[in-house]
Order: sequence, then structure tokens, then C-alpha cells
Amino acid sequence: AQKVTQAQTEISVVEKEDVTLDCVYETRDTTYYLFWYKQPPSGELVFLIRRNSFDEQNEISGRYSWNFQKSTSSFNFTITASQVVDSAVYFCALVERQGAQKLVFGQGTRLTINP
Amino acid sequence: DAGVIQSPRHEVTEMGQEVTLRCKPISGHNSLFWYRQTMMRGLELLIYFNNNVPIDDSGMPEDRFSAKMPNASFSTLKIQPSEPRDSAVYFCASTPDPLAGPYRETQYFGPGTRLLVL
Repeated sequence: AQKVTQAQTEISVVEKEDVTLDCVYETRDTTYYLFWYKQPPSGELVFLIRRNSFDEQNEISGRYSWNFQKSTSSFNFTITASQVVDSAVYFCALVERQGAQKLVFGQGTRLTINP
Repeated sequence: DAGVIQSPRHEVTEMGQEVTLRCKPISGHNSLFWYRQTMMRGLELLIYFNNNVPIDDSGMPEDRFSAKMPNASFSTLKIQPSEPRDSAVYFCASTPDPLAGPYRETQYFGPGTRLLVL
């Protein structure tokens, strides 16, 4: 069965520092999709990015970037020049093509950006 | 466009009472999911529907939980009778038609219902 591991439970950095959130996944399917969601203190789950298993290109969106490496089964998320508003819990998630749309989440990483 | 709508946003009830949570998916989305989030267990999938039909309810904790989707724009999750251990945040999410294209797997979440059972 698929599994997502976010080994960093909590990270605390000072504003303007760069920070990387790690995500390691396990799956036996050859086709799968990886996601990052953000859960700010207000509680909602905000979709950030989706990657399919055939696309290993890294992606950059403003201060956010994602590094997908199939060789190490990792999908890491980097925030450059962090801001206080980035403080949230970040979840990595996986759905297998054969998994009938069942999204499996990691335990989340609580990121605190201190002014 | 309106996102996924959930109601109520907060619910406080006493043990033994019936609780009904409601969800309206994004218009045009064909799949709907119910999740529960707790500190101990994280985010868990309870049940999901495709075209109003329940596909997998293996995550439903026990018979006290039931979910329905009478039409494409409405779903309910009912707990009867409620217990303190049901206290959690319940999220509803929806995805586009599986035939809609490359983003069909992306689940869009509602704001959640924070349930407290005393």
C-alpha cells in the first residue's frame, strides 16, 4: 500500500531564511500523483501543487519550488526568503492511478516563521 | 467560482446526539470525499463517491457513521449517536470528472467542520 512520510514534525526558522520540507513516498504503482497542501492557522486545506510520476521537472512558483526525484522517491518543497505568512502545516500526499482516487497524506510538517 | 461549501463550520453537541454535516461540492465535480482530521490520526479518508455512488467506505469508523449523496450537488455525513471520540475536523473535498483531463486527480477541500462532542 502507498505511504507518505514527512519526517520533520516541526520546523522553526527566522523570516527570510530558506526552508525545505521533506517528503518521501512509497508506492508500487508506476503511475501516481503527488501533491502538497497548505493548512494555515485558519484551518482550511489549500492545494499548492500536483505532480504526476512521468514529470520529473522541478517547478518554481514565486518563492516556492518543488524537487521531484523518482530515484529517491522524494518530493521536497522549498520556500525561499520565507515570510511570516508562510507559517502553516504543510502536507504531502499521494494518490495512485490504481488507488481509485484515494489520497494518502503524510503526517504534516508544522512550519513556523519567526519575525 | 465557489469552492467546496461545508456547513456548519462549527458544531458543539452532547454525547448521544445526532450530528449531520453537509457538503456542496464544486459545480461540475463528479467525485466527493469525506475526511476526518485529528491530532492522533492525522487526515483519514472516510468515504468517497463517484457520480453520487459510494465507492469505498472502508474508512468509516463504525456503524454510527453514515454518508449519503442524494444528488450531484449535496452530500451529508451523519453520526448517530455521537461520542466524544468523534470530536475532530471533518473535511469534504471534490474532484472533477475523471474524464475531464489531467487535473482530475486534484482534490479541492472545503473549509471543514470543527465538531466537538461533549
